[in-house]
Amino acid sequence: TQLLEQSPQFLSIQEGENLTVYCNSSSVFSSLQWYRQEPGEGPVLLVTVVTGGEVKKLKRLTFQFGDARKDSSLHITAAQPGDTGLYLCARNNAGNMLTFGGGTRLMVKP
Amino acid sequence: DAGITQSPRHKVTETGTPVTLRCHQTENHRYMYWYRQDPGHGLRLIHYSYGVKDTDKGEVSDGYSVSRSKTEDFLLTLESATSSQTSVYFCAISDGGVQPQHFGDGTRLSIL
Repeated sequence: TQLLEQSPQFLSIQEGENLTVYCNSSSVFSSLQWYRQEPGEGPVLLVTVVTGGEVKKLKRLTFQFGDARKDSSLHITAAQPGDTGLYLCARNNAGNMLTFGGGTRLMVKP
Repeated sequence: DAGITQSPRHKVTETGTPVTLRCHQTENHRYMYWYRQDPGHGLRLIHYSYGVKDTDKGEVSDGYSVSRSKTEDFLLTLESATSSQTSVYFCAISDGGVQPQHFGDGTRLSIL
């Protein structure tokens, strides 16, 4: 299993601040998914990135897939308390399996 | 939610007892997965299924077995539970490829 490292592990910020979460691997991956998980619930898909250099936007969230397809980032602009949660990246492996990173726990204080 | 029900939602049991967790889907998806989630480890794949009676091991399969006798149900069994298997267990379903996995709300299992 190829490791997927996320940073930072924890992030506590004030409402209105910007932040970036990183997801890195030592090997190339075909596609990557970002999920968000709230307490007591399962992860929910935010976006899938497939093409190297791809940028996708979801309201205040911007997702980038590195040119070499070894890394990805999630940038949140003007964070709100509703953005609080656990953000997980996951790479697609052969056999329709996902390998997840360890997650970034984000807390946005009002 | 994408038509996934996990049962039970919470369970407390003792070391050495057998435990079975159930995942039920109403989406007719081909693939079903069992993960465990522990602090600092994200989600780790235990077993998965790519069709009725077709299953394979994931990253952390030791101590677990699974069965899928019909499309909608995927069972995870701990034959003799150990304290190291205390965790939150998630079931997921997918149509495969780059399609997203849809997760249930989890089962919190405590083994004393």
